[in-house]
Amino acid sequence: GAVVSQHPSWVICKSGTSVKIECRSLDFQATTMFWYRQFPKQSLMLMATSNEGSKATYEQGVEKDKFLINHASLTLSTLTVTSAHPEDSSFYICSARPPPGWTGELFFGEGSRLTVL
Amino acid sequence: SQQGEEDPQALSIQEGENATMNCSYKTSINNLQWYRQNSGRGLVHLILIRSNEREKHSGRLRVTLDTSKKSSSLLITASRAADTASYFCATDAFQGAQKLVFGQGTRLTINP
Repeated sequence: GAVVSQHPSWVICKSGTSVKIECRSLDFQATTMFWYRQFPKQSLMLMATSNEGSKATYEQGVEKDKFLINHASLTLSTLTVTSAHPEDSSFYICSARPPPGWTGELFFGEGSRLTVL
Repeated sequence: SQQGEEDPQALSIQEGENATMNCSYKTSINNLQWYRQNSGRGLVHLILIRSNEREKHSGRLRVTLDTSKKSSSLLITASRAADTASYFCATDAFQGAQKLVFGQGTRLTINP
């Protein structure tokens, strides 16, 4: 199956700093990637839809200036948590949707655990 | 916002038994998918059932879909300890933005 790589798998940072998480589709081109956030023992909450070459579409309640998303190429989307605070600590997961002909399933990265001190 | 609700939230059974998880959703859908997540890991796609399908099988997995009740079930037969994980349903809304919305998940524990 298709492979999505997410990096880093975990990161610890100080409050006020910014953290960048990368999501790469390794063997297919992804015009659309999705970013999810997951709290312990809870479901995935969609944060934003990242479209290659255009602005991301954010879900209601997600601060676009706080969570900067860039989808500069067909294989890479980045999520930057700006001025991180302890409440931003969470598990962030990206997923990628293959190009037309797609059967509907998404391919997920392994997630990035962010801890803000 | 979350589309679906799953029950039970947690399920613990003995190895070899069957596990059934249910998912309900609210809007019309193109398809419904089930994913598995091991603790602290990403999600792995298990099976997709389209809105015009009623039942689908994949190995030890059996999924049903009842669009009139807006519900689906996932049955894992002859469970194994390695099946221990969280299972999520996800819906792809009809005429929506082609984004998946996940249910709350069922934490399945298989006891050896």
